[in-house]
Amino acid sequence: GAVVSQHPSRVICKSGTSVKIECRSLDFQATTMFWYRQFPKKSLMLMATSNEGSKATYEQGVEKDKFLINHASLTLSTLTVTSAHPEDSSFYICSARSSQTSGRETQYFGPGTRLLVL
Amino acid sequence: EDKVVQSPLSLVVHEGDTVTLNCSYEVTNFRSLLWYKQEKKAPTFLFMLTSSGIEKKSGRLSSILDKKELFSILNITATQTGDSAVYLCAVGQGGKLIFGQGTELSVKP
Repeated sequence: GAVVSQHPSRVICKSGTSVKIECRSLDFQATTMFWYRQFPKKSLMLMATSNEGSKATYEQGVEKDKFLINHASLTLSTLTVTSAHPEDSSFYICSARSSQTSGRETQYFGPGTRLLVL
Repeated sequence: EDKVVQSPLSLVVHEGDTVTLNCSYEVTNFRSLLWYKQEKKAPTFLFMLTSSGIEKKSGRLSSILDKKELFSILNITATQTGDSAVYLCAVGQGGKLIFGQGTELSVKP
């Protein structure tokens, strides 16, 4: 149980284009999903918290107009990197927290999306 | 400022060795401490600790939390090459997780 998928797993795009990444909880409902960014040899940096049916909460320093988050259902959240630039190249990981488990802090992670902007 | 600090940052051992990974934290509104294992892709959940002094075990892995001294340890006994990974410690704070830098463990045959 507690499987989270992400699509695509890898994407290469040209500078200036937008890229959408999907995060799905496959076998549980997730009222809350999280988006992280991870640089090589570094830990996970929380970008935003996505709540189903409401606006995402962004961490300090994260541009909400650049990283658009939509959480339209209890099993799907999307992150759109708008007008991507080479400095946006990174590993993006989503996680989901079940609305039903007793361990409410536990987050289950997707396999990540490696974005390369040329 | 909230922070989670892991040590050592990297560790190289031989198969069969026992290792201890450390995680200390200074986080307001502490709710829980979690350990994850990250291999090539996303972190996989290992343990969640909320109470001091209660050891959690899963096979060769075990972990314990000390809420007075604000730290946790993750022990791996009889290490195997498959244990090679980055081990992440995270502290739950009001629904969010604050991650440490991770400990990169390399187990040599």
